[in-house]
Amino acid sequence: GQQLNQSPQSMFIQEGEDVSMNCTSSSIFNTWLWYKQDPGEGPVLLIALYKAGELTSNGRLTAQFGITRKDSFLNISASIPSDVGIYFCAGQLPYSGGSNYKLTFGKGTLLTVNP
Amino acid sequence: DTGVSQNPRHKITKRGQNVTFRCDPISEHNRLYWYRQTLGQGPEFLTYFQNEAQLEKSRLLSDRFSAERPKGSFSTLEIQRTEQGDSAMYLCASSLVRMHGYTFGSGTRLTVV
Repeated sequence: GQQLNQSPQSMFIQEGEDVSMNCTSSSIFNTWLWYKQDPGEGPVLLIALYKAGELTSNGRLTAQFGITRKDSFLNISASIPSDVGIYFCAGQLPYSGGSNYKLTFGKGTLLTVNP
Repeated sequence: DTGVSQNPRHKITKRGQNVTFRCDPISEHNRLYWYRQTLGQGPEFLTYFQNEAQLEKSRLLSDRFSAERPKGSFSTLEIQRTEQGDSAMYLCASSLVRMHGYTFGSGTRLTVV
């Protein structure tokens, strides 16, 4: 099945620093999504990307859909303590007989922000 | 609208017992999904409903697992004869047909002892 390679696995940064994480895949995806998960909670959608090359921002978050459609990155600028959590990338395959509804998730990037 | 609601939030059960979880999706969403998440991993797809029809089940979903969505609204996930390997967070999500991103619930944390 499809696999997403997400890196880094974890990051420990100082408040105010910028953060970058990325996801790569051996498969082409139609949609890239970035989620954040707090301990004991479900993932919350941060940014959705629908077109190759698309660059989208949500506040201090910026994400890009790679031109090859096999990768995506997420940047967080000027990190704050509440950015702590696990960030997941997820990809959605091109439509193929109805199977494009499934999301394939990476293993996550654990972000720790030191105040 | 309070989002996707899952109950219970936590469940501890003895091996061999049956458990049932409930998911109430966002009311206007016609698609409902179940995912499972183990420690250190991303969520993995289990099954999916469009309205009341269960359209796909993952190979992860053994015969001990069954999911229903009887009236196209809430859904239940039952695990029979639980095993320690079933310990995980069970996540429910919902969406409209043309939506790409799901809205997840807070999950049910199952611990099998």
